[in-house]
Amino acid sequence: DGGITQSPKYLFRKEGQNVTLSCEQNLNHDAMYWYRQDPGQGLRLIYYSQIVNDFQKGDIAEGYSVSREKKESFPLTVTSAQKNPTAFYLCASLGRPGELFFGEGSRLTVL
Amino acid sequence: SQQGEEDPQALSIQEGENATMNCSYKTSINNLQWYRQNSGRGLVHLILIRSNEREKHSGRLRVTLDTSKKSSSLLITASRAADTASYFCATASSFNAGGTSYGKLTFGQGTILTVHP
Repeated sequence: DGGITQSPKYLFRKEGQNVTLSCEQNLNHDAMYWYRQDPGQGLRLIYYSQIVNDFQKGDIAEGYSVSREKKESFPLTVTSAQKNPTAFYLCASLGRPGELFFGEGSRLTVL
Repeated sequence: SQQGEEDPQALSIQEGENATMNCSYKTSINNLQWYRQNSGRGLVHLILIRSNEREKHSGRLRVTLDTSKKSSSLLITASRAADTASYFCATASSFNAGGTSYGKLTFGQGTILTVHP
């Protein structure tokens, strides 16, 4: 079945460690997005990519990095520079006529 | 920055009643969308209304858009316990940078709907 696959579903990180969240899609969509969700704050845009080898910072990009080497894949790295990384991370791709298809999310907890 | 602001933040109703959620935004948009999120899950697209449309229906959902007031509402009729979830509005805008056109969806903080059996 077509969709967005995020992994891992749960991830624990020690302070000072970088972690990478995986996002894969088989929908043949060009644009992909990463959002962060905190309780009571809705979704905030971290990074987005319109096409392969291109990506743009969103509203809260500091402490995060991404790559887009393949159309199907848009991994997000949470670096040690991110001061408060504990959150629920959602990856999405953009279909026609402009609606987002979301993965099931990755919950990151810093110990 | 948050484009959409939703009201109320939480709504509690009985099964069979209607639920109305409102969304306000600040800048011009291409379209406005509503999404649903069950606890701990990803978001699911419900309905999209374009900036030149005023009302749209999909099953028990009715969405209105007033671009002069920069607001939208989502009505769920004859609610069911299974409708219990968070509902988010998202505004779509586009811009050009370096010769490339980008699309961007900005989400509100959501309305938590609880439908009691």
